Amino acid sequence: SAVISQKPSRDICQRGTSLTIQCQVDSQVTMMFWYRQQPGQSLTLIATANQGSEATYESGFVIDKFPISRPNLTFSTLTVSNMSPEDSSIYLCSAGVGGYTFGSGTRLTVV
Amino acid sequence: DAKTTQPPSMDCAEGRAANLPCNHSTISGNEYVYWYRQIHSQGPQYIIHGLKNNETNEMASLIITEDRKSSTLILPHATLRDTAVYYCIVRVENYGGSQGNLIFGKGTKLSVKP
Repeated sequence: SAVISQKPSRDICQRGTSLTIQCQVDSQVTMMFWYRQQPGQSLTLIATANQGSEATYESGFVIDKFPISRPNLTFSTLTVSNMSPEDSSIYLCSAGVGGYTFGSGTRLTVV
Repeated sequence: DAKTTQPPSMDCAEGRAANLPCNHSTISGNEYVYWYRQIHSQGPQYIIHGLKNNETNEMASLIITEDRKSSTLILPHATLRDTAVYYCIVRVENYGGSQGNLIFGKGTKLSVKP
């Protein structure tokens, strides 16, 4: 199964700023996914990222707030823009074939 | 919305089998049953998946009822390290398009006790 490196592992950011999270996969994958996990909650899918096309966002998530890049088949970034304390969550990427692998997550705190 | 129903929590004694149930009464013919777990502060970990036959791997066994409306994940000899939230997910097994997404429900918090 694919191995995913996600960074940063955690960050504390000021409100109004942006943070870009990176995910690197050790093999080429067609689909990559970005999730948010709010404190004490389950995972919520933000968007699906295909290489060479615009990401597909789930209801409640918009590109202006969570722009995603997918420049090649092994890499993707998620930016959390104009952050507020409500954006404090763990953000995870996922990729692979069949049984998807997840990154270890980025714990974001907005102050 | 998640298409599965799981009990919110379960306890299991260390060394005993942990049997985690999942209801998926609206499952479609081309949807597989997947199980993941999330140990505290880590990303979810794939455990096993199946379509209609029972499956077994080094981590667990998956028992799917004949009508496919429910399944059970079995950890044969639970250890303290198996304490985690276990998610049962149904999804189409293709590798493109939104049907391939994993939609997580609330899962079952399994506590393995000494």
